[in-house]
Amino acid sequence: GAGVSQSPRYKVAKRGQDVALRCDPISGHVSLFWYQQALGQGPEFLTYFQNEAQLDKSGLPSDRFFAERPEGSVSTLKIQRTQQEDSAVYLCASSYAFSGTVVGYTFGSGTRLTVV
Amino acid sequence: AQSVAQPEDQVNVAEGNPLTVKCTYSVSGNPYLFWYVQYPNRGLQFLLKYITGDNLVKGSYGFEAEFNKSQTSFHLKKPSALVSDSALYFCAVNYGNMLTFGGGTRLMVKP
Repeated sequence: GAGVSQSPRYKVAKRGQDVALRCDPISGHVSLFWYQQALGQGPEFLTYFQNEAQLDKSGLPSDRFFAERPEGSVSTLKIQRTQQEDSAVYLCASSYAFSGTVVGYTFGSGTRLTVV
Repeated sequence: AQSVAQPEDQVNVAEGNPLTVKCTYSVSGNPYLFWYVQYPNRGLQFLLKYITGDNLVKGSYGFEAEFNKSQTSFHLKKPSALVSDSALYFCAVNYGNMLTFGGGTRLMVKP
């Protein structure tokens, strides 16, 4: 498709379970970003890839969070031993530019994670 | 450090009336400023951006925003609101390779 695709759309996990969230960026987009949006709040930066290189992971809240983009296209955000505070919408965005913040991103619809 | 403030949690306006959604920012250097809109169960959609140049920026769906450097503001405006404009609006400022978002303002347009 023409947009950023995220799967699954909804995920319910039991506390302590591991989850993997997938992002398919727009074809050819070099920059890929993950954001976390808690209920009633603005998105918060998690991590940034330029092609397959993870250039910034300063926003990952703990070492339970791990992201990869091994071939420079699809990216996976993995959360180990999920906790209730991980419940949020996880947004992926991509950009054709190396500096995505200047030209703007295209966001996916997000994955809503609920930890019970 | 950079930050964005959206002082209003919700803005109510009647259809056909002008609307303003407020945003102020704090960033070192020249800011790159953005507005995004979010509809229920949807991702963020880009509305407009300010990089440099004219202080009045025009964007999608008839929205515009005015950059005011002295007041460090970037308020979103539209001359005539539509019911379909009802959504969650986010102001953002770039810093390095990331965007920092405000907390969002819910716009309610009533017929």
